[in-house]
Amino acid sequence: DAMVIQNPRYQVTQFGKPVTLSCSQTLNHNVMYWYQQKSSQAPKLLFHYYDKDFNNEADTPDNFQSRRPNTSFCFLDIRSPGLGDAAMYLCATSAPTDVHSTDTQYFGPGTRLTVL
Amino acid sequence: DQQVKQNSPSLSVQEGRISILNCDYTNSMFDYFLWYKKYPAEGPTFLISISSIKDKNEDGRFTVFLNKSAKHLSLHIVPSQPGDSAVYFCAASAGAQKLVFGQGTRLTINP
Repeated sequence: DAMVIQNPRYQVTQFGKPVTLSCSQTLNHNVMYWYQQKSSQAPKLLFHYYDKDFNNEADTPDNFQSRRPNTSFCFLDIRSPGLGDAAMYLCATSAPTDVHSTDTQYFGPGTRLTVL
Repeated sequence: DQQVKQNSPSLSVQEGRISILNCDYTNSMFDYFLWYKKYPAEGPTFLISISSIKDKNEDGRFTVFLNKSAKHLSLHIVPSQPGDSAVYFCAASAGAQKLVFGQGTRLTINP
């Protein structure tokens, strides 16, 4: 089945210790997204890639970086995690017809990040 | 500046009855709307969508209604089943590949 996979499902890191979350997809979608979701809140878009073009949200902290080495994989790097970065991190993909349009986004199961 | 609002954090419905989840938006540029369902410890799952050129879209037990003049979106589930118990998010888009999500409504279906 075509799907969005996130590893690991649960990640524990120490305050200030860099951590990388990974996402892969078999849908061959050209757009990949990273969201942060805290309890009882809406998913918050951090950034997305349209093909290789990186699009950062204005309020995404510099502490968060991303890499997309190929169509299938996308990584979220948190350079110095703080206690406030503990959250669920969701990866999603979509296949809009052009850069101006939007299509349904398909989500992975998420990675729950704990910061000690 | 919350552009998409789900004012009911929770809703409880008896099995077999209709569940109605509501969503309001403020941005008149939104032209595509979606509902997602989320179980604990899982990512959101796409449920149903509607384009602004329509006012209704139906898929099995799920129907989404769009009232553009009121900037209001609703999801009807009928009949409600225990497996429908989840958090439901509405989302809206004004293009540029982005979705704006509401905060979610926790639906509980009681037997």
